[in-house]
Amino acid sequence: DQQVKQNSPSLSVQEGRISILNCDYTNSMFDYFLWYKKYPAEGPTFLISISSIKDKNEDGRFTVFLNKSAKHLSLHIVPSQPGDSAVYFCAASARQETSYDKVIFGPGTSLSVIP
Amino acid sequence: DAGITQSPRYKITETGRQVTLMCHQTWSHSYMFWYRQDLGHGLRLIYYSAAADITDKGEVPDGYVVSRSKTENFPLTLESATRSQTSVYFCASKAWTDAYEQYFGPGTRLTVT
Repeated sequence: DQQVKQNSPSLSVQEGRISILNCDYTNSMFDYFLWYKKYPAEGPTFLISISSIKDKNEDGRFTVFLNKSAKHLSLHIVPSQPGDSAVYFCAASARQETSYDKVIFGPGTSLSVIP
Repeated sequence: DAGITQSPRYKITETGRQVTLMCHQTWSHSYMFWYRQDLGHGLRLIYYSAAADITDKGEVPDGYVVSRSKTENFPLTLESATRSQTSVYFCASKAWTDAYEQYFGPGTRLTVT
């Protein structure tokens, strides 16, 4: 059973508009969340993260919102650019006392920004 | 080359053969990871290593073997490849001090026929 879900496999947005990518999680112990971006034939690259003590984190055009009660987070890209076309992975982690804090990835959402 | 590299980038092998995927990083990161990416599953952790000679299982370790004799290298071996191991494999590394951010290699696309 997937602990991190991205229910939209794909999303198309016009250039200049807002892209909203959604992510849901089931494990209430998750306390840190990340978004990774992946271009074809390349490895994922870190984009932005948020700790569970916050409900928003912003970095330029990218903002992540966290709603702990709903176990939901979203990534907003404003304005969207054609270079943002990629697969976006949501990921989550829970602090472990005695071992590595494993990061669990969602299945990804493919974003297409149309010029 | 600086960073994290994987070789080969593409590999076709037959069922039952042994194949080794290589991963090399130049940052002296303590942690290294192997993931597989499959449609609908995202990235799933196969094995990870916290330091040289320390390895541990991830979500999907069956059929894979790892070793880490040197900090910079983390090879992944499929001892007897099966078609279900056809996938894209990513190696990643992380510094001890980094909270969760991992740095990924470019991936190896493996096809088992």
